[in-house]
Amino acid sequence: DQQVKQNSPSLSVQEGRISILNCDYTNSMFDYFLWYKKYPAEGPTFLISISSIKDKNEDGRFTVFLNKSAKHLSLHIVPSQPGDSAVYFCAAINTGNQFYFGTGTSLTVIP
Amino acid sequence: GAGVSQSPSNKVTEKGKDVELRCDPISGHTALYWYRQRLGQGLEFLIYFQGNSAPDKSGLPSDRFSAERTGESVSTLTIQRTQQEDSAVYLCASSLGGELAGLFGPGTRLTVL
Repeated sequence: DQQVKQNSPSLSVQEGRISILNCDYTNSMFDYFLWYKKYPAEGPTFLISISSIKDKNEDGRFTVFLNKSAKHLSLHIVPSQPGDSAVYFCAAINTGNQFYFGTGTSLTVIP
Repeated sequence: GAGVSQSPSNKVTEKGKDVELRCDPISGHTALYWYRQRLGQGLEFLIYFQGNSAPDKSGLPSDRFSAERTGESVSTLTIQRTQQEDSAVYLCASSLGGELAGLFGPGTRLTVL
């Protein structure tokens, strides 16, 4: 049972525009959410996180939004750069410290 | 088994001792990842195996850490001369290919006294 879902397997965006990556979850007991980025043949790297008590967290070009009532998480990248092209994973942690990952969205930023 | 398994589930050791953590991935999964999560921090990537080779070891925090994988199956993560800052939950994940984050095992909780 996939508790964290990324329904868009791929996304293409023009350089300089906004990239919006979406994530939905089913378990209301998740209390911490994270986004990771992964390049081919490399391990994933941590990008940004958000606690369930917040609705927004910003770090440079990256902003994560959390809508708890909708059980929806999104990552905004503004402005998008070609180096942002990668697979992005959202993850959720429950109160038992268990991780659940989405299946990823492949972002392509077109120069 | 149906999922990724890790052993031991808990390990308490004294500072300076060596520890070995084991991961049994899902059969047929060629990619295997090790992560750790220290208290209050996000998931920290350690090493990634594609088959038996490790194209990305960039996350290993020091030369006290090493990992190997044999037969495209079991992997062991070894920490030599453990330090208190090594205390964390060590997670293993496996996937069919390197494009996925992987399905996670239950983790090994390591406590270095």
